[in-house]
Amino acid sequence: KNQVEQSPQSLIILEGKNCTLQCNYTVSPFSNLRWYKQDTGRGPVSLTIMTFSENTKSNGRYTATLDADTKQSSLHITASQLSDSASYICVVSDRGSTLGRLYFGRGTQLTVWP
Amino acid sequence: EADIYQTPRYLVIGTGKKITLECSQTMGHDKMYWYQQDPGMELHLIHYSYGVNSTEKGDLSSESTVSRIRTEHFPLTLESARPSHTSQYLCASSPEKGGQETQYFGPGTRLLVL
Repeated sequence: KNQVEQSPQSLIILEGKNCTLQCNYTVSPFSNLRWYKQDTGRGPVSLTIMTFSENTKSNGRYTATLDADTKQSSLHITASQLSDSASYICVVSDRGSTLGRLYFGRGTQLTVWP
Repeated sequence: EADIYQTPRYLVIGTGKKITLECSQTMGHDKMYWYQQDPGMELHLIHYSYGVNSTEKGDLSSESTVSRIRTEHFPLTLESARPSHTSQYLCASSPEKGGQETQYFGPGTRLLVL
C-alpha cells in the first residue's frame, strides 16, 4: 500500500488562478517531505523540502505547508502560469536508514489553460 | 539545472535484445539511483549505489543489472528485453549529506519493447 497519497489525481485551472494540491502520508518515522515538479518527458525537479519542525516553506509562487501531527502537506500555487502545467509529486523520507528511504506519491497532474 | 544526463532519451527495441541505459553526472555525487516509472504511477527504486563498486537492489524487483566503476557513471543493463520492461527509467544522484539531501534527476529514458 502506497504510504503517500495525493489528491486530486488531476486538476485543470485557468491561467492566473491559485490552486492547492494535497498530500497525506503514513510514513513513520518521518524525516522530511519534499515536493517535486515533473514536466512531461523530464525528470522531477525539487521545489521545497521541509523537516518535522518546519510548517511552511516558499519558493517563488510555490508555498508548501506541513502538519506533522495530522501527517498532511499542501502545495499552494499562486497566480498560475502556463509553465506550471506538470505533475507535482510529494515525496516523504523516513528516518533511521542510511539510505533515507523515499516514498513517492503518484502525483497530481496540473493543467493550466490560457 | 542539474548536471545529470541520460541516453538515449527514447528507445524502441525488439524482444530479446540486450540494452544499456546510460547515466552520468558531473556533480561528483557519491549516491546514485535508478527508478522505474509507469504513466500516472509513482517512482519505484530498482537500484542504488553509495559509491564506486557499490550496488544494491531497490524496493522493486527488476531483471536489470547495474555497475558503478566510476563515480560519475551508473549504467543499467537489460540482458534480454521483454515487453514487460516497457517503462520510463529515471536516474538520480545525491551528495553525501546525512538525511536531507535532495536527489537530482536526469531527464529519463522512455523504453518501448516490442
